[in-house]
Amino acid sequence: GAVVSQHPSWVICKSGTSVKIECRSLDFQATTMFWYRQFPKQSLMLMATSNEGSKATYEQGVEKDKFLINHASLTLSTLTVTSAHPEDSSFYICSARTVQETQYFGPGTRLLVL
Amino acid sequence: GQQLNQSPQSMFIQEGEDVSMNCTSSSIFNTWLWYKQDPGEGPVLLIALYKAGELTSNGRLTAQFGITRKDSFLNISASIPSDVGIYFCAGRPEGAQKLVFGQGTRLTINP
Repeated sequence: GAVVSQHPSWVICKSGTSVKIECRSLDFQATTMFWYRQFPKQSLMLMATSNEGSKATYEQGVEKDKFLINHASLTLSTLTVTSAHPEDSSFYICSARTVQETQYFGPGTRLLVL
Repeated sequence: GQQLNQSPQSMFIQEGEDVSMNCTSSSIFNTWLWYKQDPGEGPVLLIALYKAGELTSNGRLTAQFGITRKDSFLNISASIPSDVGIYFCAGRPEGAQKLVFGQGTRLTINP
């Protein structure tokens, strides 16, 4: 199957700093990528849909100025958590959609804000 | 937001037993996907279904896209310890771009 990578796999940062997470589709081009957040023992919660070359579409309740998304190429989308606070600590997972409309997920990034 | 009804929420079985889980929706879906997620990792795609009635196997796993387009099931035969994890169904509603996820089925296997 298609491979999606995420970097970093985990990050610890101080409150108030910004953190950037990269999502790459390694062996296919993805015009659409998605960013999810997952709390322990819960399902995935969609944060935003990222379309290459255009602005991301955010889900209700997700602050677009807090979670900046840039989909600059067909293989790369980035999520920047700006001015992170402890409540932003979570597991962030990206996924990329193939032309066959199958979604593949990255391995996730665990963020801990102190 | 819209969610799928996935059941059961958890299963405790003996190694070697067969497993069955399903997802239902009140609306029509164009795509059904089944994922497995291990602790601390992203979901891994197991089976993708694109047409009503489609029955697809992947090793010991079998999944079907319901004829009504409102449900799907996943069966695992002869379970082994590495089958332990959380299984998620996901579907794309007709006309929608994003997936809707079930709440997951946590599978535990007693040796």
